[in-house]
Amino acid sequence: DQQVKQNSPSLSVQEGRISILNCDYTNSMFDYFLWYKKYPAEGPTFLISISSIKDKNEDGRFTVFLNKSAKHLSLHIVPSQPGDSAVYFCAATQNNAGNMLTFGGGTRLMVKP
Amino acid sequence: DGGITQSPKYLFRKEGQNVTLSCEQNLNHDAMYWYRQDPGQGLRLIYYSQIVNDFQKGDIAEGYSVSREKKESFPLTVTSAQKNPTAFYLCASSLAGFNNEQFFGPGTRLTVL
Repeated sequence: DQQVKQNSPSLSVQEGRISILNCDYTNSMFDYFLWYKKYPAEGPTFLISISSIKDKNEDGRFTVFLNKSAKHLSLHIVPSQPGDSAVYFCAATQNNAGNMLTFGGGTRLMVKP
Repeated sequence: DGGITQSPKYLFRKEGQNVTLSCEQNLNHDAMYWYRQDPGQGLRLIYYSQIVNDFQKGDIAEGYSVSREKKESFPLTVTSAQKNPTAFYLCASSLAGFNNEQFFGPGTRLTVL
């Protein structure tokens, strides 16, 4: 049973426009969420995170929104750049699980020049 | 430069052979993790260790073994009991405790011939 789902395997966006990547989760015990970015044949790199006590966290061009009632989070990238083309994974963890992460399946973002 | 190293980058093995993947970190992190990524899928946890000389099974531990004799090192052995060992293997580390970002190594691609 997938506890973290990214239902869009791929997304194509024009350079300069907004990219919106979505993530849904089923485990109501999750209280901390992270987004990672991954290039082919490399390890993921941390992008941004959000605690369940917040509904928004912003870092430069990246903003993560959390809707706890819907068990849904999204990553907004504005403006999108060609270098943002990568696979994006959302991950979730819960307070009593130490630092264990449950990952979604990933969304491949392609930003066209 | 602090970071996580994995070696080798590419590894080939014959069916029926055991193989050990190396993971070293100099970030002074207590916790270390091994993940497996299959094409088009997310990361699945194989084993994790929160402290030296202690480790726990993740979601897909069957056919794998680990050791944690030193804080800096967390090698993973893929045994002949693993039915589908061909995959991309990622090692990560983090501070102990909750809600700490995991830092990933560059990965090892294992191919069973």
